[in-house]
Amino acid sequence: KNEVEQSPQNLTAQEGEFITINCSYSVGISALHWLQQHPGGGIVSLFMLSSGKKKHGRLIATINIQEKHSSLHITASHPRDSAVYICAVISPYSGGGADGLTFGKGTHLIIQP
Amino acid sequence: GAVVSQHPSWVICKSGTSVKIECRSLDFQATTMFWYRQFPKQSLMLMATSNEGSKATYEQGVEKDKFLINHASLTLSTLTVTSAHPEDSSFYICSARGRAGGWKTQYFGPGTRLLVL
Repeated sequence: KNEVEQSPQNLTAQEGEFITINCSYSVGISALHWLQQHPGGGIVSLFMLSSGKKKHGRLIATINIQEKHSSLHITASHPRDSAVYICAVISPYSGGGADGLTFGKGTHLIIQP
Repeated sequence: GAVVSQHPSWVICKSGTSVKIECRSLDFQATTMFWYRQFPKQSLMLMATSNEGSKATYEQGVEKDKFLINHASLTLSTLTVTSAHPEDSSFYICSARGRAGGWKTQYFGPGTRLLVL
């Protein structure tokens, strides 16, 4: 079964700070998602990665397949970035069903003005 | 981007009743839909995977007779919680996958919050 670990669990930062959230997994994967969950519960998919790096606005996601590690970065953070950020992986025999996702526990991010 | 809706967004029911939750892909054909459950302060956990026109595949520990899943069309899957009990109170989220984004991309619904009294 794939174990997905995120760090930190909780992060409070000041507006404008550069934020890094880390995700490690134990078994080889075919793809990794970074998701954002707001207090209301709805989930938005930010990125899906299978290699390299992706950028969207102030968000950057990287993945190192060999090291089984991914990072999500937020530049010039803003209070509206406050949310739970979840790392989720797809891998065969991960315990996530045929293609279902295995989720990390999430990182609670609070950006203070 | 692709849109997935869920209905209802929240429901309160008495213990022993059945509750049906709908998950719809609004602008693409979802060949596969996933149902997840999230308890407070915990990770989402996959409950079952359903492919259109076939029986759902349930994860270990999920009772298929209690959580009935139907995926009768390429745009609709339903999850019915039968004889709901307070311990079934949770946040239920569906996701859908189809030709919209390739086989690895899942689009999430907004979730349904269930409270069983």
